[in-house]
Amino acid sequence: KAGVTQTPRYLIKTRGQQVTLSCSPISGHRSVSWYQQTPGQGLQFLFEYFSETQRNKGNFPGRFSGRQFSNSRSEMNVSTLELGDSALYLCASSAGAGLGNTEAFFGQGTRLTVV
Amino acid sequence: KNEVEQSPQNLTAQEGEFITINCSYSVGISALHWLQQHPGGGIVSLFMLSSGKKKHGRLIATINIQEKHSSLHITASHPRDSAVYICAAFYTGNQFYFGTGTSLTVIP
Repeated sequence: KAGVTQTPRYLIKTRGQQVTLSCSPISGHRSVSWYQQTPGQGLQFLFEYFSETQRNKGNFPGRFSGRQFSNSRSEMNVSTLELGDSALYLCASSAGAGLGNTEAFFGQGTRLTVV
Repeated sequence: KNEVEQSPQNLTAQEGEFITINCSYSVGISALHWLQQHPGGGIVSLFMLSSGKKKHGRLIATINIQEKHSSLHITASHPRDSAVYICAAFYTGNQFYFGTGTSLTVIP
Protein backbone atom coordinates (compact mmCIF):
# COMPACT_ATOMS: atom_id res chain seq x y z
CA LYS A 1 0.00 0.00 0.00
CA ALA A 2 1.55 3.30 -1.05
CA GLY A 3 2.10 5.94 1.58
CA VAL A 4 1.28 9.62 1.54
CA THR A 5 2.86 11.34 -1.45
CA GLN A 6 3.71 15.01 -1.53
CA THR A 7 4.88 16.88 -4.59
CA PRO A 8 7.12 18.61 -5.25
CA ARG A 9 9.71 17.74 -2.59
CA TYR A 10 11.59 21.00 -2.98
CA LEU A 11 10.54 24.37 -4.34
CA ILE A 12 12.11 27.80 -4.62
CA LYS A 13 9.83 30.79 -5.21
CA THR A 14 10.21 34.55 -5.24
CA ARG A 15 8.43 36.93 -2.87
CA GLY A 16 5.03 37.89 -4.19
CA GLN A 17 4.54 34.75 -6.22
CA GLN A 18 2.03 32.05 -5.42
CA VAL A 19 2.61 28.35 -4.96
CA THR A 20 0.51 25.18 -5.05
CA LEU A 21 1.53 22.04 -3.20
CA SER A 22 -0.03 18.64 -3.73
CA CYS A 23 -0.77 15.75 -1.39
CA SER A 24 -2.03 12.30 -2.38
CA PRO A 25 -3.32 10.38 0.65
CA ILE A 26 -3.14 6.69 1.34
CA SER A 27 -5.65 4.82 -0.78
CA GLY A 28 -9.00 4.73 0.99
CA HIS A 29 -8.21 7.62 3.33
CA ARG A 30 -10.66 10.49 3.08
CA SER A 31 -9.05 13.01 5.43
CA VAL A 32 -6.05 15.17 4.59
CA SER A 33 -4.52 17.68 6.97
CA TRP A 34 -1.76 20.21 6.34
CA TYR A 35 0.99 21.54 8.61
CA GLN A 36 3.75 24.13 8.48
CA GLN A 37 7.08 23.55 10.22
CA THR A 38 9.63 26.30 10.75
CA PRO A 39 12.66 26.50 13.05
CA GLY A 40 11.11 29.42 14.93
CA GLN A 41 7.50 28.32 15.33
CA GLY A 42 7.83 24.55 15.13
CA LEU A 43 4.91 22.57 13.77
CA GLN A 44 1.64 24.38 13.26
CA PHE A 45 -1.69 23.10 12.02
CA LEU A 46 -2.99 24.71 8.84
CA PHE A 47 -6.24 22.95 7.97
CA GLU A 48 -7.98 19.62 7.59
CA TYR A 49 -10.21 18.39 4.78
CA PHE A 50 -12.59 15.47 4.81
CA SER A 51 -14.71 14.44 1.84
CA GLU A 52 -13.92 17.69 0.01
CA THR A 53 -15.00 19.87 2.95
CA GLN A 54 -12.73 21.90 5.21
CA ARG A 55 -13.41 20.67 8.72
CA ASN A 56 -10.83 22.53 10.77
CA LYS A 57 -8.60 25.52 10.25
CA GLY A 58 -5.58 26.78 12.16
CA ASN A 59 -4.61 30.36 12.80
CA PHE A 60 -3.13 31.35 9.45
CA PRO A 61 -3.91 34.32 7.19
CA GLY A 62 -6.23 34.01 4.22
CA ARG A 63 -3.24 33.75 1.88
CA PHE A 64 -3.14 30.10 2.88
CA SER A 65 -5.91 28.06 1.32
CA GLY A 66 -6.59 24.53 0.30
CA ARG A 67 -9.00 22.20 -1.33
CA GLN A 68 -9.70 18.53 -1.64
CA PHE A 69 -10.82 16.70 -4.73
CA SER A 70 -13.29 13.84 -5.07
CA ASN A 71 -10.40 11.33 -5.18
CA SER A 72 -9.24 12.73 -1.79
CA ARG A 73 -6.12 14.31 -3.23
CA SER A 74 -5.54 17.72 -1.72
CA GLU A 75 -3.81 20.88 -2.77
CA MET A 76 -2.59 23.75 -0.65
CA ASN A 77 -2.08 27.20 -2.11
CA VAL A 78 -0.14 30.13 -0.71
CA SER A 79 -0.59 33.45 -2.47
CA THR A 80 1.61 36.55 -2.30
CA LEU A 81 4.51 34.66 -0.79
CA GLU A 82 6.53 36.24 2.00
CA LEU A 83 10.02 35.33 3.18
CA GLY A 84 8.48 33.99 6.38
CA ASP A 85 6.55 31.39 4.42
CA SER A 86 9.78 29.47 3.91
CA ALA A 87 9.12 26.21 5.68
CA LEU A 88 8.60 22.50 5.47
CA TYR A 89 4.97 21.83 4.56
CA LEU A 90 3.68 18.46 5.63
CA CYS A 91 0.44 16.73 4.91
CA ALA A 92 -1.06 13.75 6.65
CA SER A 93 -3.87 11.41 5.73
CA SER A 94 -6.31 9.64 8.00
CA ALA A 95 -8.95 7.02 7.46
CA GLY A 96 -11.59 8.82 9.45
CA ALA A 97 -12.63 12.37 10.04
CA GLY A 98 -11.10 14.34 12.86
CA LEU A 99 -7.62 14.25 14.27
CA GLY A 100 -9.16 13.59 17.65
CA ASN A 101 -10.04 10.01 16.94
CA THR A 102 -7.89 8.72 14.13
CA GLU A 103 -4.21 8.08 13.49
CA ALA A 104 -2.43 10.34 11.01
CA PHE A 105 0.09 9.15 8.41
CA PHE A 106 2.52 11.81 7.24
CA GLY A 107 4.13 12.50 3.90
CA GLN A 108 7.80 13.44 3.49
CA GLY A 109 6.95 17.10 3.10
CA THR A 110 7.61 19.87 0.60
CA ARG A 111 10.43 22.21 1.50
CA LEU A 112 9.53 25.68 0.25
CA THR A 113 12.14 28.41 0.10
CA VAL A 114 11.02 31.96 -0.63
CA VAL A 115 13.74 34.30 -1.85
CA LYS B 1 0.14 30.87 25.64
CA ASN B 2 1.42 27.47 24.56
CA GLU B 3 -1.30 24.87 24.76
CA VAL B 4 1.24 22.03 24.82
CA GLU B 5 4.37 22.02 26.97
CA GLN B 6 7.02 19.41 26.32
CA SER B 7 10.19 18.53 28.25
CA PRO B 8 13.06 18.13 28.12
CA GLN B 9 14.02 20.07 25.01
CA ASN B 10 17.20 18.04 24.51
CA LEU B 11 18.16 14.65 25.83
CA THR B 12 21.34 12.61 25.48
CA ALA B 13 21.39 9.02 26.67
CA GLN B 14 23.70 6.04 26.60
CA GLU B 15 22.55 3.03 24.64
CA GLY B 16 20.39 0.81 26.80
CA GLU B 17 19.09 3.56 29.08
CA PHE B 18 15.42 4.05 29.90
CA ILE B 19 14.14 7.35 28.50
CA THR B 20 11.13 9.45 29.45
CA ILE B 21 9.75 12.45 27.58
CA ASN B 22 6.97 14.48 29.14
CA CYS B 23 4.07 16.44 27.71
CA SER B 24 1.55 18.66 29.52
CA TYR B 25 -1.56 20.16 28.01
CA SER B 26 -4.59 22.28 28.84
CA VAL B 27 -8.09 21.01 29.45
CA GLY B 28 -10.45 19.73 26.83
CA ILE B 29 -8.40 17.48 24.58
CA SER B 30 -9.92 14.73 22.50
CA ALA B 31 -6.66 12.94 21.82
CA LEU B 32 -2.93 13.21 22.23
CA HIS B 33 -0.50 12.12 19.53
CA TRP B 34 3.18 11.21 19.85
CA LEU B 35 5.21 11.74 16.69
CA GLN B 36 8.78 10.91 15.70
CA GLN B 37 10.74 13.02 13.23
CA HIS B 38 14.06 11.93 11.78
CA PRO B 39 16.59 14.26 10.10
CA GLY B 40 15.27 15.02 6.62
CA GLY B 41 11.82 15.83 7.94
CA GLY B 42 9.75 12.66 7.66
CA ILE B 43 7.28 12.27 10.52
CA VAL B 44 5.97 8.97 11.83
CA SER B 45 2.97 8.73 14.09
CA LEU B 46 3.91 6.59 17.08
CA PHE B 47 0.78 6.69 19.22
CA MET B 48 -2.62 8.27 19.44
CA LEU B 49 -4.24 7.99 22.84
CA SER B 50 -7.05 9.50 24.83
CA SER B 51 -6.74 7.40 27.98
CA GLY B 52 -4.58 4.79 29.65
CA LYS B 53 -1.49 3.31 28.11
CA LYS B 54 -0.29 1.94 24.77
CA LYS B 55 2.79 -0.12 23.91
CA HIS B 56 4.57 -0.81 20.61
CA GLY B 57 7.77 -2.79 21.01
CA ARG B 58 10.14 -0.77 23.21
CA LEU B 59 7.92 2.31 23.16
CA ILE B 60 5.26 2.99 25.79
CA ALA B 61 2.93 5.98 25.92
CA THR B 62 0.77 6.88 28.90
CA ILE B 63 -1.75 9.61 29.55
CA ASN B 64 -3.21 10.86 32.83
CA ILE B 65 -6.39 12.78 32.10
CA GLN B 66 -6.76 14.20 35.62
CA GLU B 67 -3.23 15.56 35.66
CA LYS B 68 -3.34 16.61 31.98
CA HIS B 69 -0.05 14.90 31.36
CA SER B 70 1.35 12.32 28.98
CA SER B 71 4.68 10.52 28.87
CA LEU B 72 6.57 8.66 26.18
CA HIS B 73 8.97 6.01 27.45
CA ILE B 74 11.65 4.22 25.48
CA THR B 75 13.07 1.09 27.07
CA ALA B 76 16.53 -0.23 26.19
CA SER B 77 17.29 2.80 24.01
CA HIS B 78 19.25 2.33 20.80
CA PRO B 79 21.11 4.80 18.55
CA ARG B 80 18.41 4.34 15.90
CA ASP B 81 15.97 5.92 18.38
CA SER B 82 17.82 9.22 17.89
CA ALA B 83 15.22 11.63 16.53
CA VAL B 84 12.97 14.48 17.53
CA TYR B 85 9.87 13.39 19.45
CA ILE B 86 6.85 15.67 19.32
CA CYS B 87 3.61 15.54 21.24
CA ALA B 88 0.49 17.04 19.74
CA ALA B 89 -2.87 17.65 21.38
CA PHE B 90 -6.18 17.73 19.57
CA TYR B 91 -8.57 19.96 21.45
CA THR B 92 -12.34 19.88 21.40
CA GLY B 93 -13.19 22.84 19.21
CA ASN B 94 -11.09 21.25 16.51
CA GLN B 95 -7.70 22.83 17.14
CA PHE B 96 -4.46 20.89 16.97
CA TYR B 97 -1.38 22.13 18.87
CA PHE B 98 2.16 20.80 18.88
CA GLY B 99 4.85 20.73 21.52
CA THR B 100 8.25 22.16 20.64
CA GLY B 101 9.80 18.71 20.42
CA THR B 102 12.46 16.76 22.31
CA SER B 103 15.69 16.12 20.46
CA LEU B 104 16.97 12.71 21.57
CA THR B 105 20.49 11.48 20.91
CA VAL B 106 21.39 7.96 21.95
CA ILE B 107 25.13 7.32 22.12
CA PRO B 108 26.48 3.81 21.45
